[in-house]
Amino acid sequence: QQQVKQSPQSLIVQKGGISIINCAYENTAFDYFPWYQQFPGKGPALLIAIRPDVSEKKEGRFTISFNKSAKQFSLHIMDSQPGDSATYFCAASRMDSSYKLIFGSGTRLLVRP
Amino acid sequence: EAGVTQSPTHLIKTRGQQATLRCSPISGHTSVYWYQQALGLGLQFLLWYDEGEERNRGNFPPRFSGRQFPNYSSELNVNALELEDSALYLCASSYLARTQYFGPGTRLLVL
Repeated sequence: QQQVKQSPQSLIVQKGGISIINCAYENTAFDYFPWYQQFPGKGPALLIAIRPDVSEKKEGRFTISFNKSAKQFSLHIMDSQPGDSATYFCAASRMDSSYKLIFGSGTRLLVRP
Repeated sequence: EAGVTQSPTHLIKTRGQQATLRCSPISGHTSVYWYQQALGLGLQFLLWYDEGEERNRGNFPPRFSGRQFPNYSSELNVNALELEDSALYLCASSYLARTQYFGPGTRLLVL
């Protein structure tokens, strides 16, 4: 029940295309859903985050879509660029559980020029 | 403003030894989280320290321990190292908020 399932494991997109990464969760007590971007040899960097009372949040080329009833959320990267090539992690946390982040397994994105 | 810093960047130990990893949070942050990123296992929560106290720990054996100092920096100790402890150990900090900012990690290799 603590798991966050992420798909796909890897994704190849052409420059200018849309990258879509999906996550699903079981625990309805989760109340915070961030996305992190990680480049090789670096720590994860927060991209964007959403709470369950909002269905969509956009920051630049990055958009989170949230479906509370389906217990799913997704990251859309519009106009994908080669510099977006990285591993992306979705995560979830709950206020009554120390805010510890439960991470998805990660998606390795490659954007071809 | 400086981000989360961790030291050392790399650490090589042999089985049975002890490893000590250090983390300095962002100035003003009082919470420190430790995560393990092992190959094939993803990012897993290890420990949470806040205001000098251990507040929560993940599903790891007691040989994983740590502490938080009065300046809010933190130390992770791993005793009786095993081969499967080889991983990237990440520290994150936060302050009265959900957002956790990660450091670059310490890569531990156990031979």
